[in-house]
Amino acid sequence: AQSVAQPEDQVNVAEGNPLTVKCTYSVSGNPYLFWYVQYPNRGLQFLLKYITGDNLVKGSYGFEAEFNKSQTSFHLKKPSALVSDSALYFCAVRDMGQAGTALIFGKGTTLSVSS
Amino acid sequence: DGGITQSPKYLFRKEGQNVTLSCEQNLNHDAMYWYRQDPGQGLRLIYYSQIVNDFQKGDIAEGYSVSREKKESFPLTVTSAQKNPTAFYLCASSIPTYNEQFFGPGTRLTVL
Repeated sequence: AQSVAQPEDQVNVAEGNPLTVKCTYSVSGNPYLFWYVQYPNRGLQFLLKYITGDNLVKGSYGFEAEFNKSQTSFHLKKPSALVSDSALYFCAVRDMGQAGTALIFGKGTTLSVSS
Repeated sequence: DGGITQSPKYLFRKEGQNVTLSCEQNLNHDAMYWYRQDPGQGLRLIYYSQIVNDFQKGDIAEGYSVSREKKESFPLTVTSAQKNPTAFYLCASSIPTYNEQFFGPGTRLTVL
């Protein structure tokens, strides 16, 4: 079965430090991977995606993610965190099975950036 | 929230009542989706529709119903058969060829 795991419920970093939010996946075939961010009581905002090509994907707001096929990971990174980056982050993979183009989401990781 | 509107933002329901959540998109997307979000559980798929007049059940469809009579609209009805309906409901749409989904702002449903 296809799945996504976000092993950390919460990540705490100081402003200005690099941040990493971890994601691992399990799919059959080539994965289509996504990162979204959610602010309180809001919908999800798309950050970036990996479909094919370069393993380092650049996205919105200075975020990037590294696709690692051998480790089945797709970690989200940012070189210098901002307090405004504090939010809930979701990793997702496209459901290649019965649900067609729907996404399978991880449980989310809360990022807290302190000043 | 990218051309998708959901209404109302907050909804309160008494036990035993059916309620309908609205989702409208002006992105000309063929595919639309409904997800349920509970704290610590991520998003779970309720129903999805790849094209007008066609929809399929997702992982947690019991107690919910949908319709897709227009490309722009994908309303979700939470019926009295849904045993624990209090949650945050998110609607999304996409072009169904490898592209990302765009999400609405969500509706928070509370059963009193």
